[in-house]
Amino acid sequence: NAGVTQTPKFQVLKTGQSMTLQCAQDMNHEYMSWYRQDPGMGLRLIHYSVGAGITDQGEVPNGYNVSRSTTEDFPLRLLSAAPSQTSVYFCARSYLGGGQNEQFFGPGTRLTVL
Amino acid sequence: GENVEQHPSTLSVQEGDSAVIKCTYSDSASNYFPWYKQELGKRPQLIIDIRSNVGEKKDQRIAVTLNKTAKHFSLHITETQPEDSAVYFCAASKGSARQLTFGSGTQLTVLP
Repeated sequence: NAGVTQTPKFQVLKTGQSMTLQCAQDMNHEYMSWYRQDPGMGLRLIHYSVGAGITDQGEVPNGYNVSRSTTEDFPLRLLSAAPSQTSVYFCARSYLGGGQNEQFFGPGTRLTVL
Repeated sequence: GENVEQHPSTLSVQEGDSAVIKCTYSDSASNYFPWYKQELGKRPQLIIDIRSNVGEKKDQRIAVTLNKTAKHFSLHITETQPEDSAVYFCAASKGSARQLTFGSGTQLTVLP
């Protein structure tokens, strides 16, 4: 599982509902990130974190919040779901040591907002 | 910010032929260029990557070339097999950062 777990695998929400997508890693890697994948658009970075207590925005952060209270967990919160947030969400981890850029993705969460 | 363009969006080849996918990037400071393979319904997985201090890298049937002057890099798959059928994504990042900017993907179909 690339050392990254995501829950749930599937979720259907109504417009305006809130929810949290969970992401956990067991490799003690400092760097974690969230991407969304839409058809024909590749993956786009939502938020990322370089360690516990540190988060920053990516390319498409609006409508999402994150926190990083521990190295292992990096949850993504949708504050008020909108149909435009229908997407597949991938969490990733990476070691921040020199020369090792590889990012390992979780299995994804498929979210539908009605 | 960085912009990565990827071509073609779809590519069909006969089994045994070669496939080439090309990407261009806009930020001359980018120095890390990975390629990911994504099978239907699965996660993206790294297949090869290259850094800006290297012009070419090869791993069995897969190779990547980088032209820093022209700001483009390419994925070459030789002797294609049906199991190579997937969506391939290029990406770029800079410095010690891990934030990746992805291309829009290429659906590769290898015809038996």
